[in-house]
Amino acid sequence: GQQVMQIPQYQHVQEGEDFTTYCNSSTTLSNIQWYKQRPGGHPVFLIQLVKSGEVKKQKRLTFQFGEAKKNSSLHITATQTTDVGTYFCAASMDSNYQLIWGAGTKLIIKP
Amino acid sequence: DAMVIQNPRYQVTQFGKPVTLSCSQTLNHNVMYWYQQKSSQAPKLLFHYYDKDFNNEADTPDNFQSRRPNTSFCFLDIRSPGLGDAAMYLCATSGGRLNSPLHFGNGTRLTVT
Repeated sequence: GQQVMQIPQYQHVQEGEDFTTYCNSSTTLSNIQWYKQRPGGHPVFLIQLVKSGEVKKQKRLTFQFGEAKKNSSLHITATQTTDVGTYFCAASMDSNYQLIWGAGTKLIIKP
Repeated sequence: DAMVIQNPRYQVTQFGKPVTLSCSQTLNHNVMYWYQQKSSQAPKLLFHYYDKDFNNEADTPDNFQSRRPNTSFCFLDIRSPGLGDAAMYLCATSGGRLNSPLHFGNGTRLTVT
């Protein structure tokens, strides 16, 4: 079946360092969404990207959708303790198809 | 505030004893989903309702059933829980198309003893 590969599985950073997670598909995507799940919590929708080459920003978070609509990234500048959690991408090939979830990237702030 | 509400927050059941988890929404969304999430894994879709139409994922065990008596409510029934069914169960809704953004409830953490 269709898959969305998300890397890395974990990223340990010092507070103040940047964080990036990547999602890749072998198939052209209709759209891609990003979710954040805090420890013990539920996934919370962050953003949706639909256009080729799209870049969206939310404060310190920058989301990109590749020109070929096969990859996407989430970049966090100057991480804070409130950023801790697992970031998931979820993508769809078509509006009539379910979202396919990446495995998630866990952001861990080093003490 | 419009939201998705799951009850209970924690559920303990015995091996083989049927259990029902509930979900309600005030968003008036036409699509409702049940996901299973195990530790350090992505949510796994069990099934969804598109309006009244039930759609089962191919790999969802027959042990899992669902009911949607009206737009606002959806139930997950586990007929004979096994130890492997211990997980977080997440209800979600979306409006419009199947690839629209999801609104999740807080989840029910199921323990099987």
